[in-house]
Amino acid sequence: DADVTQTPRNRITKTGKRIMLECSQTKGHDRMYWYRQDPGLGLRLIYYSFDVKDINKGEISDGYSVSRQAQAKFSLSLESAIPNQTALYFCATSDSSPGQGNKQYFGPGTRLTVT
Amino acid sequence: AQSVTQLDSQVPVFEEAPVELRCNYSSSVSVYLFWYVQYPNQGLQLLLKYLSGSTLVKGINGFEAEFNKSQTSFHLRKPSVHISDTAEYFCAVSRPTGNQFYFGTGTSLTVIP
Repeated sequence: DADVTQTPRNRITKTGKRIMLECSQTKGHDRMYWYRQDPGLGLRLIYYSFDVKDINKGEISDGYSVSRQAQAKFSLSLESAIPNQTALYFCATSDSSPGQGNKQYFGPGTRLTVT
Repeated sequence: AQSVTQLDSQVPVFEEAPVELRCNYSSSVSVYLFWYVQYPNQGLQLLLKYLSGSTLVKGINGFEAEFNKSQTSFHLRKPSVHISDTAEYFCAVSRPTGNQFYFGTGTSLTVIP
């Protein structure tokens, strides 16, 4: 079984709709992240969380919100989707243990299309 | 803040030829360095990492990278590529005391038969 799972894997939605992307992990890591990937722009950090009570904005948080429901679950919401939020979204976890370098483990991605 | 520059957005190379994918970073403090690979329609997988010690790091699938502190570079190399190496490659940086990962914009490697 995959260590980091994302649902749904693909989603098409209309402008103005609210949508939630979910992420679960079985690695036991405290740290979780949401990124979006756009062609030519690499991965950009949306939000990250270092434990259940810790939520931090990343580079491009506008238009997004997150919820850390448990250590293993971190969901990303688009309150009112717009077409320029069409992208590939990745959830990641990292090991905060010393000497790991904050190495990231990625989910398979969610392809979101906003029409 | 850190930034990561991957100078080549696309690199075509013939099968069995050598390849080098370039990565430069900007930081005035110590960093950790990573290369990730993304195969088509998949998530990112760790290829190799440099945390400390030997500046030549060997990773999976025959890839290696060399940390050059004076040139702030961490170029990825493979002496002989295979068709299966066709993928997107991302260089990334984090700090020992930092909270975030910083990714480059990616290099698309296409291996030509």
